[in-house]
Amino acid sequence: QSVLTQPPSVSGAPGQRVTIPCTGSNSNIGADYVVNWYQQLPGTPPKRLIYGDTNRPSGVPDRFSGSKSGTSASLAITGLQADDDAEYYCQSYDGRLSRWVFGGGTKLTVL
Amino acid sequence: QVQVVESGGGVVQPGGSLRLSCGTSGFTFSNYGMHWVRQAPGKGLEWVAFIHFAPNNMYYADSVKGRFTISRDNPKNTLYLQMSSLRAEDTAIYYCTTYNNDGSSYYMDVWGKGTTVTVSS
Repeated sequence: QSVLTQPPSVSGAPGQRVTIPCTGSNSNIGADYVVNWYQQLPGTPPKRLIYGDTNRPSGVPDRFSGSKSGTSASLAITGLQADDDAEYYCQSYDGRLSRWVFGGGTKLTVL
Repeated sequence: QVQVVESGGGVVQPGGSLRLSCGTSGFTFSNYGMHWVRQAPGKGLEWVAFIHFAPNNMYYADSVKGRFTISRDNPKNTLYLQMSSLRAEDTAIYYCTTYNNDGSSYYMDVWGKGTTVTVSS
C-alpha cells in the first residue's frame, strides 16, 4: 500500500482535460515537502514531468500542470493527445518515515 | 550529455547476492546525491535507497534495510547497490537516478534504462 494514493486509472478523449489526484498526509505533502510527477511510457524509464509542485522542465508542454493544496496534489493534462497514454506517478518525501515515497501510479488511457 | 547506465542485473537464487553498478557521465558525480528505485513486474515505482553526495549519509526503504547497501566511488563516477539475502519479492527492474535541486526543490532527474534482477530457484 502506497503512502501516496492515486487512482489506478483515468481516461479521456483526445482534446479533453483530465486530472490525476495524489493524496498524502500531514507527514509528507501536508508538511510542505515538494511533489514531483513522473511520466512512464511502456517499456521506458520514468521521465520527470513536473517538479517542485508546479514547475515544468524545459521541453514539457504547458498542457501539463501541477498544483498542491493541503495534503493533496494534482496533475492536470489539457488537450489530451494519443502520446499522453502512459503511467503517471507522484512522488514526495515523508518526514515521519524518513524516506522518499511514490504514489501507486495512474494509468492514463486516451480513448 | 548527462547519462547514467545501470549494469549487473541477472538471475540469482533466493538467499543469494548481487552487486549492481550505475556508471555516470556528463556531470560532476561527486556533487549529486543518488537514488536507487525499483519496479517489480507490472507494478509501480518503489524507492529503494539514497546516498548523499558526501557518502556518509545513506537511507534505505524498510523492505531492504539490513540486506542492501548503497555506496559510491566518486573518482570512478559510479554508484553501487550491494544486494544480499535476496528474496523473490526483490525481482524488479532497478533504476539509478540523480537527485537534483534547482535551489528550492529536489527531484529525481536523470534516469537510466534500468537493469533487471530476477530472484528465482
